[in-house]
Amino acid sequence: GAGVSQSPRYKVAKRGQDVALRCDPISGHVSLFWYQQALGQGPEFLTYFQNEAQLDKSGLPSDRFFAERPEGSVSTLKIQRTQQEDSAVYLCASSLALSQETQYFGPGTRLLVL
Amino acid sequence: ELKVEQNPLFLSMQEGKNYTIYCNYSTTSDRLYWYRQDPGKSLESLFVLLSNGAVKQEGRLMASLDTKARLSTLHITAAVHDLSATYFCAVDIRGGKLIFGQGTELSVKP
Repeated sequence: GAGVSQSPRYKVAKRGQDVALRCDPISGHVSLFWYQQALGQGPEFLTYFQNEAQLDKSGLPSDRFFAERPEGSVSTLKIQRTQQEDSAVYLCASSLALSQETQYFGPGTRLLVL
Repeated sequence: ELKVEQNPLFLSMQEGKNYTIYCNYSTTSDRLYWYRQDPGKSLESLFVLLSNGAVKQEGRLMASLDTKARLSTLHITAAVHDLSATYFCAVDIRGGKLIFGQGTELSVKP
């Protein structure tokens, strides 16, 4: 079946521009996670949802970052007034349930802020 | 603060050789994952280890977990070029929130 999909795959933004990154989880997966991966580093947790509820947003680096999942399926990560340090790969993952389930990762969105 | 540390960070191996990647973590957890990432690609799940003493094997890779020592190992047997990738361990600290190690970049040369 289809895996996790993300769009766009690549995004170039000018500093100060707002961006929106989309994640389509695997159908039926309750939990959805966002991670940020800097070049040469491991992914770092940003936030997660169980259905439409955002249960943990402790990893969001600043109030410029905002995530939503209004209908419990597709999720959007929005970054306002982008800065150069926001350049990274943003990974989305989903799992069947909140715990005891492997997270399946999408291909990521590579964001470059100039 | 939870830390997940892998070593080595870089590993150059010859085909046919064996080696082990280590993953140490600093807090209690009963769930540990190993993922593989190819350059420019996303993460592929390799193993999930759920209890102390758990051992899983797939092909030339074998993973184990010692929760008392807070240590997991990924053992590579008779390496082949296709195993060249970056390998991450990740610890589940609270209901799905994963903390990743820095990654081990493995290069297998003929």
